Amino acid sequence: GAVVSQHPSWVICKSGTSVKIECRSLDFQATTMFWYRQFPKQSLMLMATSNEGSKATYEQGVEKDKFLINHASLTLSTLTVTSAHPEDSSFYICSARGQGDTEAFFGQGTRLTVV
Amino acid sequence: GQNIDQPTEMTATEGAIVQINCTYQTSGFNGLFWYQQHAGEAPTFLSYNVLDGLEEKGRFSSFLSRSKGYSYLLLKELQMKDSASYLCAALDSNYQLIWGAGTKLIIKP
Repeated sequence: GAVVSQHPSWVICKSGTSVKIECRSLDFQATTMFWYRQFPKQSLMLMATSNEGSKATYEQGVEKDKFLINHASLTLSTLTVTSAHPEDSSFYICSARGQGDTEAFFGQGTRLTVV
Repeated sequence: GQNIDQPTEMTATEGAIVQINCTYQTSGFNGLFWYQQHAGEAPTFLSYNVLDGLEEKGRFSSFLSRSKGYSYLLLKELQMKDSASYLCAALDSNYQLIWGAGTKLIIKP
């Protein structure tokens, strides 16, 4: 399958600071990228969907000014958690899908801890 | 609304067979995925069914009945490393994945 690289794998930050997570498709062009959040013992919750060159579509209840998503190229999307708080601590996972594909490929995930 | 149901937890014995069921209700349907997720890791792809029937891939098989809105994942010759959560996800008419809450599978020796 195709490879999606997510970085960093884990990050600890202070409350009030911002954290950027990168998601790269290494061997295909990702026209659509998905950002998920997963709390312990829960399933994946879709935060937003982004198409290359367009603004991201956020799911209900997800603050777009807090979770900034940029998908400026066909191989890179970034999620920036702004003014992070302890309740933002979670496992963030990206997945990427190519044009006309049904399967989306997952990054390794980022464990964010806000202290 | 859109909904995916699967059992919360199942327990099975090493070497045995286990079937994890999933029922779905979505706005349109473009296929059903099964993923395996170990604790602290991202999901890994197991199978994709869009047509009715059974797809076999090694020790894992996946079945789909579109008319019943039903799928199952069958795991044979269970190994301890199969202990994980198994996520069922349906692709709706907008090609969005609708996720189940996952089934935690516990394998006992």
